[in-house]
Formats: sequence, C-alpha cells, structure tokens
Amino acid sequence: SQQGEEDPQALSIQEGENATMNCSYKTSINNLQWYRQNSGRGLVHLILIRSNEREKHSGRLRVTLDTSKKSSSLLITASRAADTASYFCATPPYSGGGADGLTFGKGTHLIIQP
Amino acid sequence: DAGVIQSPRHEVTEMGQEVTLRCKPISGHDYLFWYRQTMMRGLELLIYFNNNVPIDDSGMPEDRFSAKMPNASFSTLKIQPSEPRDSAVYFCASSFGRGTEAFFGQGTRLTVV
Repeated sequence: SQQGEEDPQALSIQEGENATMNCSYKTSINNLQWYRQNSGRGLVHLILIRSNEREKHSGRLRVTLDTSKKSSSLLITASRAADTASYFCATPPYSGGGADGLTFGKGTHLIIQP
Repeated sequence: DAGVIQSPRHEVTEMGQEVTLRCKPISGHDYLFWYRQTMMRGLELLIYFNNNVPIDDSGMPEDRFSAKMPNASFSTLKIQPSEPRDSAVYFCASSFGRGTEAFFGQGTRLTVV
C-alpha cells in the first residue's frame, strides 16, 4: 500500500519561478525523504527530514514537515529548465514496524518552461 | 563506487519466456530492494533483502516472480513465465541501514510482447 501521496500530480511553471509540491502520508514516520526522477532514469535522493525537524534546506531546496498534519512540502526556488523531472516523497516504516522498504507516492511531474 | 548497476537496460521478450534481471548493489550496503514502476501503479516495492536474506516479499505479484540474493554483491529478479502485463521498468536500489537514503540503479525496461 502507498504511504505518501504527492500533490499536484503535474505542475508547469516559468523558469525562475518557485515550485512547491506537497506530500501527505498516513502513518507515523521516523523520517520523510524526497527523490527526483529524470525521464528514463533512476530515482535520485534529494533530502531527508527527520520527524523531529520542521524545516531543512539544501541549496535551492527547502523541505518542511508537519507531523501533526502528516504532510510535507518541497520548495524549489529560482527554478531552472534542468529541474524538469518527477518528484517523489518516500517514507520508511516507523521503527518497530516489520518492514523496512521505502514506499513512494505517484509523484509530481514538474515542467519548467524556458 | 559506480553506484547500483542493473542489467540489462532494456529487455524485449515474448510472452511465456523466462526473464532474468540482475542487480549489483553498492558495496557495503546491507539492504537491497526491487521495485517496479508503471504509469498506472507508480513505484511498487516487490521484495527486499537485509544482509542477503529476503525479509518481505509481500509485494511480489505472483508466483511467477522470484528473487534471489546469493551474496552481498549480486541479486536477481526472475519472471517465469513472463506475460505482457509484466511490462514495466524494474528498479533495484540499495541502502546502508534501516530507513535511510536509497540509491537506485538506472532500471531495466522490460517489454513482454
């Protein structure tokens, strides 16, 4: 079963604008991770935010986490054409659970218009 | 390290044939995952191993699917017999530690005709 669900499914913006995508999840988590997938390629890890963190930055990426709402957001500032990709959130099972595999949502397909 | 290596990158086979997908994880990683990606279902976790031992195969769709990890540097996912609905991109990923960053291979695009 899928834990994370991204919103919107697709997003198209102009180069230079900021892009925001959201992730909602269902059960308690230890951390939440964001991945990027370029067309025809494997997923690449972007950032990991732990359950006791509220915000984390990495370059032009800013991730927030609200455990009370079971949601996270990924903000890409000053978008570039190279940011065109699908973005996924992923959650490992809460510690104490039986499984270890990351479960992914269906992703947000981001298109940056030049 | 060269990252997670999968082979072949593309596979086209006829329905009923056996298909074997291969994966070499990153050296030192103790978790290995097999995922399947389709437009309809997204990324599905099929099976994962910890220290070469299969832990959870509840995502394997049918008995036609099987996976092995004979040693820490090699895993296979086999489909026998293959069916057109098995057409998808299959990813292998590895990680060090539980719930940590996963490193993905480039995937194998399987087409069953």
